[in-house]
Amino acid sequence: EAGVAQSPRYKIIEKRQSVAFWCNPISGHATLYWYQQILGQGPKLLIQFQNNGVVDDSQLPKDRFSAERLKGVDSTLKIQPAKLEDSAVYLCASSGTNSPLHFGNGTRLTVT
Amino acid sequence: QKEVEQNSGPLSVPEGAIASLNCTYSDRGSQSFFWYRQYSGKSPELIMFIYSNGDKEDGRFTAQLNKASQYVSLLIRDSQPSDSATYLCAGTARDDYKLSFGAGTTVTVRA
Repeated sequence: EAGVAQSPRYKIIEKRQSVAFWCNPISGHATLYWYQQILGQGPKLLIQFQNNGVVDDSQLPKDRFSAERLKGVDSTLKIQPAKLEDSAVYLCASSGTNSPLHFGNGTRLTVT
Repeated sequence: QKEVEQNSGPLSVPEGAIASLNCTYSDRGSQSFFWYRQYSGKSPELIMFIYSNGDKEDGRFTAQLNKASQYVSLLIRDSQPSDSATYLCAGTARDDYKLSFGAGTTVTVRA
């Protein structure tokens, strides 16, 4: 089975610029997650989708971060404007019924 | 207060030894626990999960769960250099697999 696909793999932007990440989950997985992993820390959940609805976005900095999953399949995460502290790896994961999380390769964001 | 804490590490063990990793959690509603391995620059990959008190073995890995003490551990027997990685402990309260991760324990296996 194909894994979780993410793009781009790397992104370097200047502060105050905007950036977008894309994720395509494992086929058939209804639940999609975006995690932020800062160097030396464990992943932190930003947002969870069930199909195309938001289940939990309590830790998403909504003043600058937004995410959507319009057709219940792939998803985009956007940051606008970016801050230095947003430098991290953004991990997308998906899960299905009785199936634990599987992560994509992540997008490494550097904000200068 | 962090929901999942991993206080041990970094951990350095000789090849062939047992590596012991520990994790505690604060939410008594947590039901299932997962161990992920993360190589440097890579994404986390699932090693094991456990949801019942006691031990669960899979090859060289044994996960242990003690819900009364709110404690989870991972033992790696016959450690190999390829086991050198960061190990992430995660828990979830429900079957939706929304995981809360600890900060990770970095293990180095010395050849």
